[in-house]
Amino acid sequence: DIQMTQSPSTLSASVGDRVTITCRASQSISSWLAWYQQKPGKAPKLLIYKASSLESGVPSRFSGSGSGTEFTLTISSLQPDDFATYYCQQYNSYSGSSFGQGTKLEIK
Amino acid sequence: EVQLVESGGGLVQPGGSLRLSCAASGFTVSSNYMSWVRQAPGKGLEWVSVVYSGGTPYYADSVKGRFTISRDNSKNTLYLQMNSLRAEDTAVYYCARDRAHGGLSDYWGQGTLVTVSS
Repeated sequence: DIQMTQSPSTLSASVGDRVTITCRASQSISSWLAWYQQKPGKAPKLLIYKASSLESGVPSRFSGSGSGTEFTLTISSLQPDDFATYYCQQYNSYSGSSFGQGTKLEIK
Repeated sequence: EVQLVESGGGLVQPGGSLRLSCAASGFTVSSNYMSWVRQAPGKGLEWVSVVYSGGTPYYADSVKGRFTISRDNSKNTLYLQMNSLRAEDTAVYYCARDRAHGGLSDYWGQGTLVTVSS
């Protein structure tokens, strides 16, 4: 099974800051990686797919990069609506998927 | 408009069974990859199961042999039959439509809470 590890677990930042979240896979997953945003009591929302492709309707301040085993999600200028928990997900295998443990983005 | 609505959650005793439903609209369940993902209270997301358009299912090791994913094409509905439930199965269960093999869920339901407790 492929293990996904996110860092940091918690991130404190201010509106306007540039932030980066890292996700590492236990083995190569090529570019089969997605990023989701989740707010309390809500279902996750797809932000990025195939490591760097922006989902339709998602603001351009979100971007993703990486391939192989190391990936990043960057928010270029934090907005109040961006404070949430972020998850990476690998979908490299037909037999199943796995998520990172999540990164909670808090207001400093 | 794509919509997914889960139902069937509730309180069940350890060792018991429950069947979750996910009614879809705006697309055809049988033509898509469909997943179940769960989230224990205060915890992260855990992938549970997927069924491909051809009907092949896969399961997480934590539920293999206890859970069964299925669909009713006439009702355009996805199911998750959960047997031999354990306390650690307590979670909000989400159904999702997948855009790619193994994951990449672009539409999600609102979730249904399953509580396993005596």
